[in-house]
Amino acid sequence: AQSVTQPDIHITVSEGASLELRCNYSYGATPYLFWYVQSPGQGLQLLLKYFSGDTLVQGIKGFEAEFKRSQSSFNLRKPSVHWSDAAEYFCAVGPLYGNKLVFGAGTILRVKS
Amino acid sequence: EAGVTQFPSHSVIEKGQTVTLRCDPISGHDNLYWYRRVMGKEIKFLLHFVKESKQDESGMPNNRFLAERTGGTYSTLKVQPAELEDSGVYFCASSQERQTSGNTIYFGEGSWLTVV
Repeated sequence: AQSVTQPDIHITVSEGASLELRCNYSYGATPYLFWYVQSPGQGLQLLLKYFSGDTLVQGIKGFEAEFKRSQSSFNLRKPSVHWSDAAEYFCAVGPLYGNKLVFGAGTILRVKS
Repeated sequence: EAGVTQFPSHSVIEKGQTVTLRCDPISGHDNLYWYRRVMGKEIKFLLHFVKESKQDESGMPNNRFLAERTGGTYSTLKVQPAELEDSGVYFCASSQERQTSGNTIYFGEGSWLTVV
């Protein structure tokens, strides 16, 4: 069965500190992986995606993620967190050509000043 | 370019009433999706339109939910009659036709439904 696990429901980091959000997936075929962010009162915004090629992908707002097939992971990282990064982050997996995405439960990021 | 727009942004209705949610996809996007997130749960797929045809409706929870996409443009999702467990956020999303680089699915801001 297809599934996505985000082990951390809540994470708190200090502004300026580094961030890593974990994502593990279970998928029977070649996965197409995404990270979305939902800021308070906003919709889901795509941060980055991976479908092939370089396993380290760069996204918007200074985020990056690394695909590790051997670990079935797609962790999201940012070297220095800003207060505006406080939001809920979702990892998702799907087939190469669109359609039914499977989402993780989300990780709520709180940023301390 | 306008993104995926949804209406209403918030709705509070009583149990047993009907609510209709509307979604306008990005212009030119043939694929339209509905997802929802009920309180404390994951975002779940409901259904997928390609133009006006239902491609996959395996995620629709029961026959109280009816989705339409007349003319292959905007879509509506009707809940009739609404139950308490239908409360949550309903997301609409759209994408272009299949591309070699893979589809990017763009989401709207969601319609927040509260059934009391």
